[in-house]
Amino acid sequence: GAVVSQHPSWVICKSGTSVKIECRSLDFQATTMFWYRQFPKQSLMLMATSNEGSKATYEQGVEKDKFLINHASLTLSTLTVTSAHPEDSSFYICSARSPTSTDTQYFGPGTRLTVL
Amino acid sequence: QKEVEQNSGPLSVPEGAIASLNCTYSDRGSQSFFWYRQYSGKSPELIMFIYSNGDKEDGRFTAQLNKASQYVSLLIRDSQPSDSATYLCAVNTGGFKTIFGAGTRLFVKA
Repeated sequence: GAVVSQHPSWVICKSGTSVKIECRSLDFQATTMFWYRQFPKQSLMLMATSNEGSKATYEQGVEKDKFLINHASLTLSTLTVTSAHPEDSSFYICSARSPTSTDTQYFGPGTRLTVL
Repeated sequence: QKEVEQNSGPLSVPEGAIASLNCTYSDRGSQSFFWYRQYSGKSPELIMFIYSNGDKEDGRFTAQLNKASQYVSLLIRDSQPSDSATYLCAVNTGGFKTIFGAGTRLFVKA
């Protein structure tokens, strides 16, 4: 299947700082990527859909000024958590649509964010 | 509101048994159906997808789809302790977005 990577795999930061998470499709071009957040023992929550070359589409209740998404190339989307607070601590996972089956999503390994 | 419903579990089966995981969806227009496995602390991993009514087998896994009844299931034969994980059902209605269920926790006892 298609391979998606994320960097970093984990990050610890101080409250008030910003953190950037990268999502890359390694062996295919992804015009669409998705960003999810998952709290412990809870289900995936879709945050936004990232489209190459255009603005991301955010889900209801997700602050677009706090969670900045940039999809500048066909293989890279970034999520920046601005002015992070402890309540932003979570597992952030990206996914990309398969190039051969556009409704199949492949997930990156996730980034665990801890805000102190 | 398009929904995908799963029993949260945990579903506990003995090693070697068949584990049966079920999922129902609300949108009759749904076209693609997926099962993902998620180990604790890890991201989801695609196991199978199914588009047509009936059964689809891949190794120890069989996905079953019944569009008339709006349910999709996953059978795991010869369950192993390593199959212990949360299984996510996902449904795509043909649009841009895939709807994920909350997942069923499976525990395979050695």
